[in-house]
Amino acid sequence: AQTVTQSQPEMSVQEAETVTLSCTYDTSENNYYLFWYKQPPSRQMILVIRQEAYKQQNATENRFSVNFQKAAKSFSLKISDSQLGDTAMYFCAFGLRTGGSQGNLIFGKGTKLSVKP
Amino acid sequence: NAGVTQTPKFQVLKTGQSMTLQCAQDMNHNSMYWYRQDPGMGLRLIYYSASEGTTDKGEVPNGYNVSRLNKREFSLRLESAAPSQTSVYFCASKRDTAYEQYFGPGTRLTVT
Repeated sequence: AQTVTQSQPEMSVQEAETVTLSCTYDTSENNYYLFWYKQPPSRQMILVIRQEAYKQQNATENRFSVNFQKAAKSFSLKISDSQLGDTAMYFCAFGLRTGGSQGNLIFGKGTKLSVKP
Repeated sequence: NAGVTQTPKFQVLKTGQSMTLQCAQDMNHNSMYWYRQDPGMGLRLIYYSASEGTTDKGEVPNGYNVSRLNKREFSLRLESAAPSQTSVYFCASKRDTAYEQYFGPGTRLTVT
């Protein structure tokens, strides 16, 4: 069975600074993908970034980038130039590309990020 | 294009009452999902439907039933609500050629 662990329940960062959120996962599979979702106080789940496991290059979306270390099973999210609107819960998620449960996502417990002015 | 919609947004039930949470998507996605979110627990999969006419259990299916009414709609039913089912419920959908899921706005359910 796959598991996703987010070891930082809460973090804070000053506006305009950089913060890194940690995520580790456990799987014996080789063909999978990883996501970071953001949940602001509005409760809406918003996709931030995705990473295919077969791609060595780390994904980047504007101020958001990941550090994907496949051998270490680590998938951290870096937020640069933090903005007040980045205040949210952030969830790391794992999904298999093949097999009976393909398409299903397994979520970590989340990291609550507060951006302070 | 509304994406994924859920009704109601809030609901309070008494123990033993029944209700159905509605979900619809207008993105022509085959796969649909129901999750529950509890404090400190992340999102956990209740049921999913890979296509119209099929449904499968997820991690926490006990106490729930689902219906994939057509390609657009996927409903979640609580036959006899219990306080342990107090949670926020999310519906999501996914197209076959991608892996990310798109979520509805959620339903906050309180069972007293």
